[in-house]
Amino acid sequence: EVQLVQSGAEVKKPGESLKISCKASEYSFTTYWIGWVRQMPGKGLEWMGVIFPGDSDTRYSPSFQGQVTFSADKSISTAYLQWSSLKASDSALYYCARLGGDYIEYFDHWGQGTLVTVSS
Amino acid sequence: ELVMTQSPATLSVSPGERATLSCRASQSISSNLAWYQQKFGQAPRLLVYDASTRATGIPARFSGSGSGTEFTLTISSLQSEDFALYYCQQYNNWPRTFGQGTKVEIK
Repeated sequence: EVQLVQSGAEVKKPGESLKISCKASEYSFTTYWIGWVRQMPGKGLEWMGVIFPGDSDTRYSPSFQGQVTFSADKSISTAYLQWSSLKASDSALYYCARLGGDYIEYFDHWGQGTLVTVSS
Repeated sequence: ELVMTQSPATLSVSPGERATLSCRASQSISSNLAWYQQKFGQAPRLLVYDASTRATGIPARFSGSGSGTEFTLTISSLQSEDFALYYCQQYNNWPRTFGQGTKVEIK
């Protein structure tokens, strides 16, 4: 069974850096895109972008370009989402999810989510 | 950016009744549409992709239809476990975008 297990909740201060993780198992990590989705408190889903772990090709939604960085470590089947300088508005639940279909299409398996709280 | 508009925002339905959820795209997306279900405190789950193909393990009471700009998710006979939030997502244009969601609640 495909599994995506995300790192635990984080509480940070504005200006701090953060890297959260998404460990994949039970499928070929390097042959599927992995995406990130933001859900702000009480709000809907926002498509942030994707990474192809096979070659680290990344595609960012314009709303998130320059605000976050995706990366992946093939040796441990883990994808990462990182911020260099957090803002209070980054407080949200972040999901990683595997892309199904022929290209960057729909999310067929999801992680459990990582809650990020940014507060002074 | 392509905008996905879901209606209604909230749908009140009695158990056993049919629920019809709508999703409209601001321009044609062919059949490049997925539907997800999100229960409270849980990650979303893929229900339908390519507008009408049920994902693995999804009960037959869930069906998707439509193409172009108008799409529908129908739940033929609502079960207690179906009361949740539902989102559509297009994957025809860049960036991929979600609708704002429809909450299906118990009437």
